[in-house]
Amino acid sequence: DVKVTQSSRYLVKRTGEKVFLECVQDMDHENMFWYRQDPGLGLRLIYFSYDVKMKEKGDIPEGYSVSREKKERFSLILESASTNQTSMYLCASAYGAENQPQHFGDGTRLSIL
Amino acid sequence: AQTVTQSQPEMSVQEAETVTLSCTYDTSESDYYLFWYKQPPSRQMILVIRQEAYKQQNATENRFSVNFQKAAKSFSLKISDSQLGDAAMYFCAYSNFNKFYFGSGTKLNVKP
Repeated sequence: DVKVTQSSRYLVKRTGEKVFLECVQDMDHENMFWYRQDPGLGLRLIYFSYDVKMKEKGDIPEGYSVSREKKERFSLILESASTNQTSMYLCASAYGAENQPQHFGDGTRLSIL
Repeated sequence: AQTVTQSQPEMSVQEAETVTLSCTYDTSESDYYLFWYKQPPSRQMILVIRQEAYKQQNATENRFSVNFQKAAKSFSLKISDSQLGDAAMYFCAYSNFNKFYFGSGTKLNVKP
């Protein structure tokens, strides 16, 4: 089975802190994704990566950056956390073709105080 | 812009009965892919079923089937013989090249 592991299930940080969310997949997937999930809004794509060192902005990239130095790892960075970034963050991975389903991690519930 | 709309925030179904979840989408593309994902409470999101837009035949996976109406841009999910384990959030999703969109979700309650 595909395993997508997010480093933390729950995280509490303070306003202005730099926050790192890590995601690792074990299936050699080309594509990796970071979503934000909020009630009533569904999942919104923050960034995705289709190869090492490659990244594409999603619908809501403002306030976030990403890093993919290795194929299996995709990091989401909040440069200066703000309270409106309190949310559930989901990482996903998939094979490169657009018809391939995404495999999701358990999610990280991030609270910014 | 492509958008995915799920107009039913919450639905309920009696165990063993059938329920249909609605999804509409907006796109100017002719080739794309549609998915239904299930997110049980506090558990991982998993794929339920997928449909290629170029295929006219509706996808089926055991008790789950879709009604894909390309002209109407509609992609509904039918769950037959509902089980308690079907209780979850269900998300409709669209994929085309490097575009990925999810709907806002429908919470399905299953009553014993």
